Amino acid sequence: AQKVTQAQTEISVVEKEDVTLDCVYETRDTTYYLFWYKQPPSGELVFLIRRNSFDEQNEISGRYSWNFQKSTSSFNFTITASQVVDSAVYFCALGGKAAGNKLTFGGGTRVLVKP
Amino acid sequence: DSGVTQTPKHLITATGQRVTLRCSPRSGDLSVYWYQQSLDQGLQFLIQYYNGEERAKGNILERFSAQQFPDLHSELNLSSLELGDSALYFCASSVTSGNTNEQFFGPGTRLTVL
Repeated sequence: AQKVTQAQTEISVVEKEDVTLDCVYETRDTTYYLFWYKQPPSGELVFLIRRNSFDEQNEISGRYSWNFQKSTSSFNFTITASQVVDSAVYFCALGGKAAGNKLTFGGGTRVLVKP
Repeated sequence: DSGVTQTPKHLITATGQRVTLRCSPRSGDLSVYWYQQSLDQGLQFLIQYYNGEERAKGNILERFSAQQFPDLHSELNLSSLELGDSALYFCASSVTSGNTNEQFFGPGTRLTVL
């Protein structure tokens, strides 16, 4: 079975601080895909990034960066120099054959950025 | 804007009633997924259709059903509603049938059962 764990339920920071969100996954697939989604207070789910299990190269996109470590089954997400608009719930998700066609989501981490 | 549309945005109804939620996928996407987001269960996959055919089923109750029409829009029907069915229902779409590609989510329908 597939499982995604986001141990941090809520993180509160002051604007301009960096925030790192942890994501640990379990899967028996050798090929799998990892995703991060953002859910702002307005409620919609916004796709941020997709990574496949063969690509452990870390990525930076603007103020966002991702750290994928297969050895520890982790796919962490960092927001650099946080802004109030980053306040949202962030979900890590896992896809792969073991789960059929669905995405398995973690419980989410609420990020609150205070001015 | 993901390109996925859902109607209605909000729905308030009573126990025992039946409602229909509608979803239009992004242009070119053949797969539609339905998810339920509740406080106690988190984001749960309900069902998937690909080009009109059911492809995968998750934790979907027997009181719930869905279909995908020839124009690729999808409807989720919820009947004999209970208080516990109150949740945010998302539709997502993707190009392929599997879960290897990102799924783009609609804005959701917030269902309140009184």
